[in-house]
Amino acid sequence: ILNVEQSPQSLHVQEGDSTNFTCSFPSSNFYALHWYRWETAKSPEALFVMTLNGDEKKKGRISATLNTKEGYSYLYIKGSQPEDSATYLCALSDSWGKLQFGAGTQVVVTP
Amino acid sequence: EAQVTQNPRYLITVTGKKLTVTCSQNMNHEYMSWYRQDPGLGLRQIYYSMNVEVTDKGDVPEGYKVSRKEKRNFPLILESPSPNQTSLYFCASREFKEVSTDTQYFGPGTRLTVL
Repeated sequence: ILNVEQSPQSLHVQEGDSTNFTCSFPSSNFYALHWYRWETAKSPEALFVMTLNGDEKKKGRISATLNTKEGYSYLYIKGSQPEDSATYLCALSDSWGKLQFGAGTQVVVTP
Repeated sequence: EAQVTQNPRYLITVTGKKLTVTCSQNMNHEYMSWYRQDPGLGLRQIYYSMNVEVTDKGDVPEGYKVSRKEKRNFPLILESPSPNQTSLYFCASREFKEVSTDTQYFGPGTRLTVL
């Protein structure tokens, strides 16, 4: 089983502020790292898939980096908006594509 | 519209009463999974299926059964539900091409309460 830890568990951000949070893993024994966005009462939706060559991904105001040497991935939200309020899930996939999820970081953006 | 559907969305039942949660996808995906989500824990895989008639246990299979008779459907069966199976359940599907990077699509979730 791949170990995945996310921190912090939750965070509150003022609208307009930028924020970031972490997905960490003790071992790089995985094939890809996935970020999902999960809004309350909805389905988790894929944000990014990152392979082990250390890419950086960006979608609008949200970006992600992966550092396999140090064992972490950061997700950044620039200029947070209330619609960014969600739980952000990190998952590692093994060679068969099985996903091991972290517990998530709940982000609350207040106007 | 490409989607994964689950039914029912909410269910309250009693211990021991068999139930089935249905899952269907219209994307012709080979790979389907069931997960449960509990507070403070990540999504945990219950069962998965790589294709029709091919199913295997995930990390928390005890107390659950699945079947995959058709590509689009992957029902989750609780033969004798117990209170510790109270949880939020997600069905998911994906292609099976670039296995480690394929995007997984989730259903809307089924909130199950077992009294």
